[in-house]
Amino acid sequence: GDSVTQMEGPVTLSEEAFLTINCTYTATGYPSLFWYVQYPGEGLQLLLKATKADDKGSNKGFEATYRKETTSFHLEKGSVQVSDSAVYFCALGLNYGGSQGNLIFGKGTKLSVKP
Amino acid sequence: DTAVSQTPKYLVTQMGNDKSIKCEQNLGHDTMYWYKQDSKKFLKIMFSYNNKELIINETVPNRFSPKSPDKAHLNLHINSLELGDSAVYFCASSQDFLTGGIYEQYFGPGTRLTVT
Repeated sequence: GDSVTQMEGPVTLSEEAFLTINCTYTATGYPSLFWYVQYPGEGLQLLLKATKADDKGSNKGFEATYRKETTSFHLEKGSVQVSDSAVYFCALGLNYGGSQGNLIFGKGTKLSVKP
Repeated sequence: DTAVSQTPKYLVTQMGNDKSIKCEQNLGHDTMYWYKQDSKKFLKIMFSYNNKELIINETVPNRFSPKSPDKAHLNLHINSLELGDSAVYFCASSQDFLTGGIYEQYFGPGTRLTVT
């Protein structure tokens, strides 16, 4: 079935370090891919998205490229800040049959950035 | 203005009670959703409504029932609450999806339900 696998956390980095959070997926058809971020005590916010193969989503210094050949959508940022500390969710948007519009989430990766 | 709002933010109640969580969106979206986030932060969709019709109904207990009085509201009613219902419940909304296209979902701040 459709699923998302992301790297287990927590991830702890120093400020200005490089960040990669791995995400791979299994899906029927041609899904859209998303990264959401959840800051402590808040709801989820869309960070970036990609709707087709080779698309690159980017926002606030974060980037992810939709790789169909490796079924991946890894999140990267060149220099993290303390304010990036949050839980990051990779999600798959289904676009077929009765599941159209449904989002399948990964289990989330908690990022802590130390000053 | 808050795009997707939920009330209450916190809800503490006893087993066996019936409770409701309200959700409203002012984005003009056609589709609304309810998600459950467990203690390990795992998110799973429970329901979605499109133009007042239930279009996704995952395998949740029938004690949970979504009610949509209009396109801007999707409330969640829970009967006979159990300890295992303790979680954070998120409401979300999106534009109506088109064949081959998926729109991002906008989430509310969540309602933390604690059943004692």
